[in-house]
Amino acid sequence: GDSVTQMEGPVTLSEEAFLTINCTYTATGYPSLFWYVQYPGEGLQLLLKATKADDKGSNKGFEATYRKETTSFHLEKGSVQVSDSAVYFCALGQGGSEKLVFGKGTKLTVNP
Amino acid sequence: DTAVSQTPKYLVTQMGNDKSIKCEQNLGHDTMYWYKQDSKKFLKIMFSYNNKELIINETVPNRFSPKSPDKAHLNLHINSLELGDSAVYFCASSQGSGVYEQYFGPGTRLTVT
Repeated sequence: GDSVTQMEGPVTLSEEAFLTINCTYTATGYPSLFWYVQYPGEGLQLLLKATKADDKGSNKGFEATYRKETTSFHLEKGSVQVSDSAVYFCALGQGGSEKLVFGKGTKLTVNP
Repeated sequence: DTAVSQTPKYLVTQMGNDKSIKCEQNLGHDTMYWYKQDSKKFLKIMFSYNNKELIINETVPNRFSPKSPDKAHLNLHINSLELGDSAVYFCASSQGSGVYEQYFGPGTRLTVT
């Protein structure tokens, strides 16, 4: 079945550092790919998405490119802020199913 | 104007009790979900309803029973609570298939003592 593997955390960075969180997937067909973010004490919210190969999703300075050849959707940000401290989830969804498949989440802590 | 709301936010109860968590969405979505998040932040889908019909029922103990009185509401009833049920439970909704964004509620932290 479909699955998502993301790098294990926790990840600790200093403010203004470059961030990469790796995400790879296994899926049949052409899934949509998502990054969700969960701030402390809150529910998940969509950060960005991409629906087909070579699409780039972007939001709040974060970017991720749908790479079908490497089955990857790595999350990047050029300069992180303390306010980016959160848990980040990579996920995939298929058109024929209501189910989202989530990775295990990566906790990011950004220190001032 | 909250899109997906859950009550209560915190629930502390003793083993063996029965409790319910309520969820409501005002987004007009047809599909609603219940997820369980453990202490390591791992997120596991439990149930999904589409237009009041159960469409996803993962391997969840029979003590958990979802109920959808209408497509804007999906409640979760838990019988005979156990220590292992302690977790954060999230309700979510979406337009339907997995290509659509899911909107999550703020979560209900359940603690069983």
